[in-house]
Amino acid sequence: DSGVTQTPKHLITATGQRVTLRCSPRSGDLSVYWYQQSLDQGLQFLIQYYNGEERAKGNILERFSAQQFPDLHSELNLSSLELGDSALYFCASSVEPGEYQETQYFGPGTRLLVL
Amino acid sequence: GDSVTQMEGPVTLSEEAFLTINCTYTATGYPSLFWYVQYPGEGLQLLLKATKADDKGSNKGFEATYRKETTSFHLEKGSVQVSDSAVYFCALSGGLGGATNKLIFGTGTLLAVQP
Repeated sequence: DSGVTQTPKHLITATGQRVTLRCSPRSGDLSVYWYQQSLDQGLQFLIQYYNGEERAKGNILERFSAQQFPDLHSELNLSSLELGDSALYFCASSVEPGEYQETQYFGPGTRLLVL
Repeated sequence: GDSVTQMEGPVTLSEEAFLTINCTYTATGYPSLFWYVQYPGEGLQLLLKATKADDKGSNKGFEATYRKETTSFHLEKGSVQVSDSAVYFCALSGGLGGATNKLIFGTGTLLAVQP
């Protein structure tokens, strides 16, 4: 158990819908990362937050957004869903992003299926 | 940009065989290197890491050495077990000078160990 929690574990929805994925980082970790794992794109970085502020953006679609709240939990919002958004979405956390050798601890993931 | 290339799978071995999974990287700056493992139906777990050239990471009988001259970080284990069956991901972070320590992953290598 990494200490990172993600809910829900599974999500089935229809095209055009909007969903919210939730992540709680390990106690004491200030930085949260979101990754998408799909069969065709592999594991890709989406976005990073540190202490409530956006720190870096990766291959995140405009239909996707995220935020980190004062209690440090984070939510990833996916809207106007398409079939191709079906994937496993991981959240990871680390103490702070300043040191690049910081280990990121991953949650169990949310499996999204868009029908 | 920074990237990671790892050997295609699946790799199928008999129990107690020697394992090597090749990983090479391209990066500017001085990245940290990681191996993560994903067991069936689970999230990513850090297996080992190395933060500078010639460092050796090791854990649970697995080893990898950070070779700057060959830009490689090959994963090895002397005697694999059935319980090692999983997908192994090579990753790097911090190659761009530490502005963000997002992880860049290889495509993953499926290891199947037969009794």
